[in-house]
Amino acid sequence: RKEVEQDPGPFNVPEGATVAFNCTYSNSASQSFFWYRQDCRKEPKLLMSVYSSGNEDGRFTAQLNRASQYISLLIRDSKLSDSATYLCVVNKGDSWGKFQFGAGTQVVVTP
Amino acid sequence: DVKVTQSSRYLVKRTGEKVFLECVQDMDHENMFWYRQDPGLGLRLIYFSYDVKMKEKGDIPEGYSVSREKKERFSLILESASTNQTSMYLCASTRPGGDGYTFGSGTRLTVV
Repeated sequence: RKEVEQDPGPFNVPEGATVAFNCTYSNSASQSFFWYRQDCRKEPKLLMSVYSSGNEDGRFTAQLNRASQYISLLIRDSKLSDSATYLCVVNKGDSWGKFQFGAGTQVVVTP
Repeated sequence: DVKVTQSSRYLVKRTGEKVFLECVQDMDHENMFWYRQDPGLGLRLIYFSYDVKMKEKGDIPEGYSVSREKKERFSLILESASTNQTSMYLCASTRPGGDGYTFGSGTRLTVV
């Protein structure tokens, strides 16, 4: 089993719609969780951290479910510019600050 | 903003060549990392360093080595490039316990 698993998609989303997807992780010692966004042929960039209480940043909402070991990302009112691959990132629970990356979920927002 | 700079965006090298990929960060971060990214496999950790002259193997260190002579610079070395090392290479840095990575813009290496 992979340490971090994501549905690769693509999720085809009409502009203005809502899309949500999950990421499961296997390491119960993980304490830090993030969503990164990666555009085609570019480097990943931090989208948002995921806190235990859940957090929202504009149209983006992230949730953490420790009991079931998954995190989620919801995008409301999708824009064409939201088309990207979204990477789930989970720390390895060690002291080095290492993270484990999911392979990414591709989102395609269509007009 | 933290800036992580990778020296080359695109490289084409021949099989058997020794290849150096350079990464420099300007925010005094202790931890630096080298990943490679391949379609369907995501990012895989090659090596990381938590201090000058310190290095630790990641998940796929075979065929690679690293050098960290100065805190701001972390170099990845392909001792004898092979075609299966064709990939996107990403450097990242963070503080210990920091809030996620900052990545360089990546080097797309093709070995022919």
